[in-house]
Amino acid sequence: ETGVTQSPTHLIKTRGQQVTLRCSSQSGHNTVSWYQQALGQGPQFIFQYYREEENGRGNFPPRFSGLQFPNYSSELNVNALELDDSALYLCASSEGGPSIQNYGYTFGSGTRLTVV
Amino acid sequence: TQLLEQSPQFLSIQEGENLTVYCNSSSVFSSLQWYRQEPGEGPVLLVTVVTGGEVKKLKRLTFQFGDARKDSSLHITAAQTGDTGLYLCAGKNNDMRFGAGTRLTVKP
Repeated sequence: ETGVTQSPTHLIKTRGQQVTLRCSSQSGHNTVSWYQQALGQGPQFIFQYYREEENGRGNFPPRFSGLQFPNYSSELNVNALELDDSALYLCASSEGGPSIQNYGYTFGSGTRLTVV
Repeated sequence: TQLLEQSPQFLSIQEGENLTVYCNSSSVFSSLQWYRQEPGEGPVLLVTVVTGGEVKKLKRLTFQFGDARKDSSLHITAAQTGDTGLYLCAGKNNDMRFGAGTRLTVKP
């Protein structure tokens, strides 16, 4: 399987609800990172997983959590949704581990989350 | 506060012109990557630079990594309308952090 696939592509949730976003990475890509991109801004780092363990975290509250599975898929869970959580959520995977510098990241097309 | 500052934020030029966009930080990075993002899509990797002072050329695009590995530039020669997009720089140590991007519009 090639490329990074994210689902769903669009989602509308109500404030206070919980949401799970999914990402399927390329085989062999054992590093996955999640980003939040608000309209007109650059991607903000949420967290990174390497071999199913959280390996780094940005400035996001604990209600943002994740999982990485042995089959190169991963999830981003957000509890108690707030209006400001409305954004494009991007998943990116890399073949190299976190300490490998010359591997680029392959991004999915994202999930557009709207919280009303 | 952004870890990486990109300038300019917006750039609108005519087809055929040259341009340079900048990416600056007070932090040292092990590598720096440039991505281009189209509306409704995820960023697509253009280049990775690893060594301080490194210059890489990709057709009409020239990328440079600063000697101190804190800054980078992207120069486009003879811009084309197809170069229109959001250009993002990203600095990597253990994880990768992005700048806010330069939104480039190339007019015919």
